[in-house]
Amino acid sequence: SAVISQKPSRDICQRGTSLTIQCQVDSQVTMMFWYRQQPGQSLTLIATANQGSEATYESGFVIDKFPISRPNLTFSTLTVSNMSPEDSSIYLCSVQMGQQYFGPGTRLTVT
Amino acid sequence: DAKTTQPPSMDCAEGRAANLPCNHSTISGNEYVYWYRQIHSQGPQYIIHGLKNNETNEMASLIITEDRKSSTLILPHATLRDTAVYYCIVSTNSGGSNYKLTFGKGTLLTVNP
Repeated sequence: SAVISQKPSRDICQRGTSLTIQCQVDSQVTMMFWYRQQPGQSLTLIATANQGSEATYESGFVIDKFPISRPNLTFSTLTVSNMSPEDSSIYLCSVQMGQQYFGPGTRLTVT
Repeated sequence: DAKTTQPPSMDCAEGRAANLPCNHSTISGNEYVYWYRQIHSQGPQYIIHGLKNNETNEMASLIITEDRKSSTLILPHATLRDTAVYYCIVSTNSGGSNYKLTFGKGTLLTVNP
């Protein structure tokens, strides 16, 4: 298994601003994933981030809105850009180590 | 779209077995059945997965029908801490290039004292 931490754990942001969420894992992993969970909804995959390559985005998500960095095998960031209230969600990172293991999530509220 | 169908909610008495069904009638030959759960305000937790044989680990048992079109997750002695949303997911093996998890709505299991 893996120990995954995310920063910040929660934040309240104003519309039009951007927030960068950090994901740190205690082991080196190739595949990392970013998910969004809107209020009362299930998880939706935003993108897959492999170290050394560009992130692969799912339908409905674009790099300009959700830029992702993957500088090494233990760290990734997701930026939520030009936020609107519709971006209020829990954002989760996960890593593949045999199975997928998830971080605790970042609860974002946009006012 | 998720490839699985689960009941939206179930109840179970504490100490009894919880049997959570999942239909996946369009599962492909190379796809596995994965089960995750999400306790309120936490990230999802891996439970178990299987291809065609029944599987058991320290958390649960997974029973897959012979035609692989449905499965049942069994929590043998449910506790209050097992109250969570349980997700049944069909995907290729985690070592494959097309591996990703598509979450449906899941089943909210409520364990009652």
